[in-house]
Amino acid sequence: DQQVKQNSPSLSVQEGRISILNCDYTNSMFDYFLWYKKYPAEGPTFLISISSIKDKNEDGRFTVFLNKSAKHLSLHIVPSQPGDSAVYFCAASASFFQGGSEKLVFGKGTKLTVNP
Amino acid sequence: GAGVSQSPRYKVAKRGQDVALRCDPISGHVSLFWYQQALGQGPEFLTYFQNEAQLDKSGLPSDRFFAERPEGSVSTLKIQRTQQEDSAVYLCASSFGGAGGLLSYEQYFGPGTRLTVT
Repeated sequence: DQQVKQNSPSLSVQEGRISILNCDYTNSMFDYFLWYKKYPAEGPTFLISISSIKDKNEDGRFTVFLNKSAKHLSLHIVPSQPGDSAVYFCAASASFFQGGSEKLVFGKGTKLTVNP
Repeated sequence: GAGVSQSPRYKVAKRGQDVALRCDPISGHVSLFWYQQALGQGPEFLTYFQNEAQLDKSGLPSDRFFAERPEGSVSTLKIQRTQQEDSAVYLCASSFGGAGGLLSYEQYFGPGTRLTVT
């Protein structure tokens, strides 16, 4: 039973355009969400996060949106650059206040290709 | 650099051999995690330490898997009598832990150890 789902295995966009990566979750106890970027033969790199008390968090070209009622989050990259080409993982966690631990539950990832 | 380091980066083991994978977390990080990543999948949680205490080992797939962090810093994941299904990338991550507030949830990963069991 997958608690975090990334339904698009791949996405291709043109340089300069917007990339939108989507993620859905099923566990209503999740209250913290993160996006990681992964290059081949490297570990995941933390990109941006959002707490469930917010609906948007922005960091430079990266913005994460959270829709709690739909149990959906998305990562927007504007403008997309060829160096953004990587696999992006969505992850979620249930805090101690929710009876969880710090462990992260990951989706299967979306491979983003930004074409020059 | 001051990131998470893991060794070895690659390990080939014959079925039935024991292996030990090492993780050096970021200095000062209280929490340490092990994840297993199969090809084409996201990382899956194995176990979690807060300092030297193993608080959650619910993700360990069998009693052949054992992890320790005796002094609250370096951690070792040991797999006994390896099987072909153990072939995967083993990732270690660390974080500030509970004292870090919301920063607790931002985990920083090492490069992983790719284990191949033949």
